[in-house]
Amino acid sequence: KQEVTQIPAALSVPEGENLVLNCSFTDSAIYNLQWFRQDPGKGLTSLLLIQSSQREQTSGRLNASLDKSSGRSTLYIAASQPGDSATYLCAVVDSGGSNYKLTFGKGTLLTVNP
Amino acid sequence: NAGVTQTPKFRVLKTGQSMTLLCAQDMNHEYMYWYRQDPGMGLRLIHYSVGEGTTAKGEVPDGYNVSRLKKQNFLLGLESAAPSQTSVYFCASRTWTGAGELFFGEGSRLTVL
Repeated sequence: KQEVTQIPAALSVPEGENLVLNCSFTDSAIYNLQWFRQDPGKGLTSLLLIQSSQREQTSGRLNASLDKSSGRSTLYIAASQPGDSATYLCAVVDSGGSNYKLTFGKGTLLTVNP
Repeated sequence: NAGVTQTPKFRVLKTGQSMTLLCAQDMNHEYMYWYRQDPGMGLRLIHYSVGEGTTAKGEVPDGYNVSRLKKQNFLLGLESAAPSQTSVYFCASRTWTGAGELFFGEGSRLTVL
């Protein structure tokens, strides 16, 4: 059974700092990995999706990497801003005949202080 | 492009009442999911569907029923609501090929008194 862990559960940084959020998974046979952002009381917004054949994806100040062999993904946020404060979740889709199966981590609560 | 639309967005029920949450997607996605999100519990899968006419149980299916009579719609029903079903419910959909990106609805906040 796939298990997804996000460490740390909470992170507080000063504005302008570069930071890394971590996502680890136990079964490397994945179809894709997706990072989401959730603001308090809101839905989940997709940030980046990395397919199993890819190593990284970039969007603006965000860069997500994937290392299937070690079962890890990182989300790098450059020059953090108070508006980046939110909960960040990663989700893994299993490969093959089970590619309907999604497993979410519990998220990292990020606070960027002005 | 509406994406994934959930209705209603808010609802208050009394214990024992029934209701249906509707999820509609206009992206021709095969897979659809219903999750609930509670503080400290993360997202928990209630039911899912891999195609029109199919449904399957997730990790917390008790007290809920689902139907997918049309490919674009996935209904979540509560036959006899209980206070433990107070939660925020999210619907999501994705295709089984290509990138397989998951799209979420905005959520439905349900309170059972």
